[in-house]
Amino acid sequence: LAKTTQPISMDSYEGQEVNITCSHNNIATNDYITWYQQFPSQGPRFIIQGYKTKVTNEVASLFIPADRKSSTLSLPRVSLSDTAVYYCLVGRGDSGGYQKVTFGTGTKLQVIP
Amino acid sequence: NAGVTQTPKFQVLKTGQSMTLQCAQDMNHEYMSWYRQDPGMGLRLIHYSVGAGITDQGEVPNGYNVSRSTTEDFPLRLLSAAPSQTSVYFCASRPVAKNIQYFGAGTRLSVL
Repeated sequence: LAKTTQPISMDSYEGQEVNITCSHNNIATNDYITWYQQFPSQGPRFIIQGYKTKVTNEVASLFIPADRKSSTLSLPRVSLSDTAVYYCLVGRGDSGGYQKVTFGTGTKLQVIP
Repeated sequence: NAGVTQTPKFQVLKTGQSMTLQCAQDMNHEYMSWYRQDPGMGLRLIHYSVGAGITDQGEVPNGYNVSRSTTEDFPLRLLSAAPSQTSVYFCASRPVAKNIQYFGAGTRLSVL
């Protein structure tokens, strides 16, 4: 089971770039890295997923070094609406790994005006 | 575009009562799951299903039952509610081909 470690909380000013790093030292060969965002009183929402190197979409970028033992979610120019909890998950995509995908406590990002 | 629908949104039970939390998805996803989230904690997997007629236990299954008679529905049953089951419950679904889960809005349950 790939355990993940993230900072408990982070503060950032509006307009800044925010980088949240997740450690996953025992990631397996078949594991993907997935990030979710959760607003208060809502279910988590998928942000981005990657396997190696860099992935970018309209919301964020995900940087994964060659050894894949960590990953960094990058949010460009955050706004107040980005205040949320961000979860890093590591797990296989098939049904055999389904039950082994666990959510940690996540990183609570507070964006300050 | 409903996605994953959970009902009810809020529920208060007395200790010992039973109830069923409903979850329905309209995306034809094979995989569905139930999580609970306690204050200040992440989500913990209760039960999951990889298809109609197939269910399995997650991390915290005690006190809960599930069944999956159709692809669309995945109800969670509390057999005899206990105060320790006070939590927010989330249902999620995902397609076989993509490791991305889609979550409902949650059911906030209080057991007195």
